[in-house]
Amino acid sequence: EAQVTQNPRYLITVTGKKLTVTCSQNMNHEYMSWYRQDPGLGLRQIYYSMNVEVTDKGDVPEGYKVSRKEKRNFPLILESPSPNQTSLYFCASSVRDTQYFGPGTRLTVL
Amino acid sequence: EDQVTQSPEALRLQEGESSSLNCSYTVSGLRGLFWYRQDPGKGPEFLFTLYSAGEEKEKERLKATLTKKESFLHITAPKPEDSATYLCAVQETSGSRLTFGEGTQLTVNP
Repeated sequence: EAQVTQNPRYLITVTGKKLTVTCSQNMNHEYMSWYRQDPGLGLRQIYYSMNVEVTDKGDVPEGYKVSRKEKRNFPLILESPSPNQTSLYFCASSVRDTQYFGPGTRLTVL
Repeated sequence: EDQVTQSPEALRLQEGESSSLNCSYTVSGLRGLFWYRQDPGKGPEFLFTLYSAGEEKEKERLKATLTKKESFLHITAPKPEDSATYLCAVQETSGSRLTFGEGTQLTVNP
């Protein structure tokens, strides 16, 4: 089954403790992206990647890092999480202009 | 800076009562306008991509149209299962970033 998977689905952590949210797709898509969704602010793009080793900033990249060493994986790294990064995070991959979203990761930073 | 404004924020319809959702956008050069459906607790699901003014696309009870300043999502004879949040996004010609609106929360009562 074609899908985008994210792990973990839920995470509660403390300020400053480094964490990684994994994202994997099995559709051989070149384009992958990370978003955060907050009430009243909608979906905002954090980073995107056009292909392996090619990444670029979206609208809200501060406090996040990404890497794209393999085509199928696009992890989101929070080196020193802060409470304002509490949010619902979505990974997505696309071919042409059809974007497929993962199920989301709900992150709480205390 | 790209801007996307969706209206209304929320819409309640009776089953069978047709209506339209609006997405107004400002972008330097439009590469594509996208419509997504999002159910509570899930990732957005792709519906349509529109590329140029005058273009229309249909899927079951949904029809999306595009002008140079806005897009409409027409819902004909909606059913309760059409209840969801509908998101609009634009992508400009100069890059790969997507800018989303905040969405319209649609409720269809039986």
